[in-house]
Amino acid sequence: QQQVRQSSQSLTVWEGETAILNCSYENSAFDYFPWYQQFPGEGPALLIAIRSVSDKKEDGRFTIFFNKREKNLSLHIKDSQPGDSATYFCAASEGWSNYQLIWGSGTKLIIKP
Amino acid sequence: EAAVTQSPRNKVTVTGGNVTLSCRQTNSHNYMYWYRQDTGHGLRLIHYSYGAGNLQIGDVPDGYKATRTTQEDFFLLLELASPSQTSLYFCASSDWTGDTQYFGPGTRLLVL
Repeated sequence: QQQVRQSSQSLTVWEGETAILNCSYENSAFDYFPWYQQFPGEGPALLIAIRSVSDKKEDGRFTIFFNKREKNLSLHIKDSQPGDSATYFCAASEGWSNYQLIWGSGTKLIIKP
Repeated sequence: EAAVTQSPRNKVTVTGGNVTLSCRQTNSHNYMYWYRQDTGHGLRLIHYSYGAGNLQIGDVPDGYKATRTTQEDFFLLLELASPSQTSLYFCASSDWTGDTQYFGPGTRLLVL
């Protein structure tokens, strides 16, 4: 049973467009949601994160929109660049144990120039 | 300078073989983690530790042992490797909050 679900295995957008990556979860006790970015041959790296008390978190071109009632969130990448091509993982944890992240299966994003 | 390093980067072994994967972090972090990454599953937590001598069981611990010898060093042991353990293994570290995990470059393991 997948507790964190990323609906798209892959997504292709054109350079300059906004890429939207979706994530949903089942456990209503989850309250910390990081997004990690992984380039080929490297380990994942934290990109941006949100806590369930917020409905939006912005960091430059990256924005998380969070809907607690619907148990879903999305990562928006504005003005996408070829260098944003990577695999993006949504993860979740309960506040008392951010050590035990539950990971989605990842979305491979391809930005076409 | 890389703060989380892993060795070896690639390993091939046979079914029933012994394998030790090594991880070292220079972040002065308390927490260290071992994950496996498989297509369609994302990352799955095998074991983690909050300090030297400590070991906590993760979500997929069967067939794996781990040992944290110092704050810096965390080892993953496969004593009777099976083909189902063919995977990409990542080590990570974090501070006590766990908010940000810092990953190593990974070890690709093939069990024939």
